[in-house]
Amino acid sequence: GAVVSQHPSWVICKSGTSVKIECRSLDFQATTMFWYRQFPKQSLMLMATSNEGSKATYEQGVEKDKFLINHASLTLSTLTVTSAHPEDSSFYICSARDEGEYTDTQYFGPGTRLTVL
Amino acid sequence: DAKTTQPNSMESNEEEPVHLPCNHSTISGTDYIHWYRQLPSQGPEYVIHGLTSNVNNRMASLAIAEDRKSSTLILHRATLRDAAVYYCSHVPYNQGGKLIFGQGTELSVKP
Repeated sequence: GAVVSQHPSWVICKSGTSVKIECRSLDFQATTMFWYRQFPKQSLMLMATSNEGSKATYEQGVEKDKFLINHASLTLSTLTVTSAHPEDSSFYICSARDEGEYTDTQYFGPGTRLTVL
Repeated sequence: DAKTTQPNSMESNEEEPVHLPCNHSTISGTDYIHWYRQLPSQGPEYVIHGLTSNVNNRMASLAIAEDRKSSTLILHRATLRDAAVYYCSHVPYNQGGKLIFGQGTELSVKP
């Protein structure tokens, strides 16, 4: 089955530092990947759409200079939280779109728990 | 925006069928309906998707209303491992596969 990995699974950092999260599609190529954020007891909130070889598209209210997204290959997208602050602490989840002739399904990574002290 | 409405929570007994409803009244004719489920501290897991006719797979069945404004996810025999938050979404064809999640239904399964 389609597998998406994320690294790291959790990270603790100091306020003001930057954190990079990787999302990889392990057994399929993904032209499109998505990044979500989830606070406790809430639903997933779509942050941005990441397209291989082009700039990401951010949802309204998401600061593109704070959440840098790079999708340099068909199997890897990265999210960098720049100058992280405690309010950025959250569960970050990526998904990769498996789009073929007979399929169009998103597969999700296991998530990355970010804690900013 | 693609909006869905689901009950906040449902309860089921183990080994009994569960019917999880979803309203998606703003759905367009070419939007697919997707269902995912999420266990605590994990990423969502794909369950099933469909367009017009009912769909079955090894995990569940999806019953889609004739007017497509609602759908029902059917777990034929609930197990304790099916306890999760279930999300339905419809994917607008012209928005690059973007999934917008509603609040979901928290399903608890009693032994």
